[in-house]
Amino acid sequence: DAGVIQSPRHEVTEMGQEVTLRCKPISGHNSLFWYRQTMMRGLELLIYFNNNVPIDDSGMPEDRFSAKMPNASFSTLKIQPSEPRDSAVYFCASSLRITGEYEQYFGPGTRLTVT
Amino acid sequence: SQQGEEDPQALSIQEGENATMNCSYKTSINNLQWYRQNSGRGLVHLILIRSNEREKHSGRLRVTLDTSKKSSSLLITASRAADTASYFCATDAKGNKLVFGAGTILRVKS
Repeated sequence: DAGVIQSPRHEVTEMGQEVTLRCKPISGHNSLFWYRQTMMRGLELLIYFNNNVPIDDSGMPEDRFSAKMPNASFSTLKIQPSEPRDSAVYFCASSLRITGEYEQYFGPGTRLTVT
Repeated sequence: SQQGEEDPQALSIQEGENATMNCSYKTSINNLQWYRQNSGRGLVHLILIRSNEREKHSGRLRVTLDTSKKSSSLLITASRAADTASYFCATDAKGNKLVFGAGTILRVKS
């Protein structure tokens, strides 16, 4: 299995531009998570999906952030418009959720720099 | 807010020594997990311990859980330079999502 795939690996954009991050979870996994990691705030859960349905988006910082999962093999995280404070590493993770416990498999991350 | 808090924030040891990292949390949990992150990479799952377990082993890793003190420890025995990484505990409190701590940065000097 190729693991969780994220693209792009690096993104540099100017303030005000739209940014779209992409994720392909591990085949057969039914849960998908988007995280943001910064030195100041650590690893933050932004949103997660079960069976393609958003379950908890309480971590999404603002309306500028949106996430979709149109099918079991693809998800996007969009920031529009982007701001310098959005600069971070964004991780996607997936898991096969079995009641009570599961481990998450992380992608390599997308390093976003907003200038 | 973070559920788990690791201690120490950073740890530097010599190759061959043991490394111990601690994690404290605030609420009741279903299980607690430890992850490793190498620089510039995603997190990798190391071990999961259920709330009704007290100790678990996996290779050179030993994890303990004390639910009365709401704390866990990760012991890496006979450390290697390749163990240099950040280590995070993550708590599963509601069976829905993991909450990660701030992490311990481990440096193993050869």
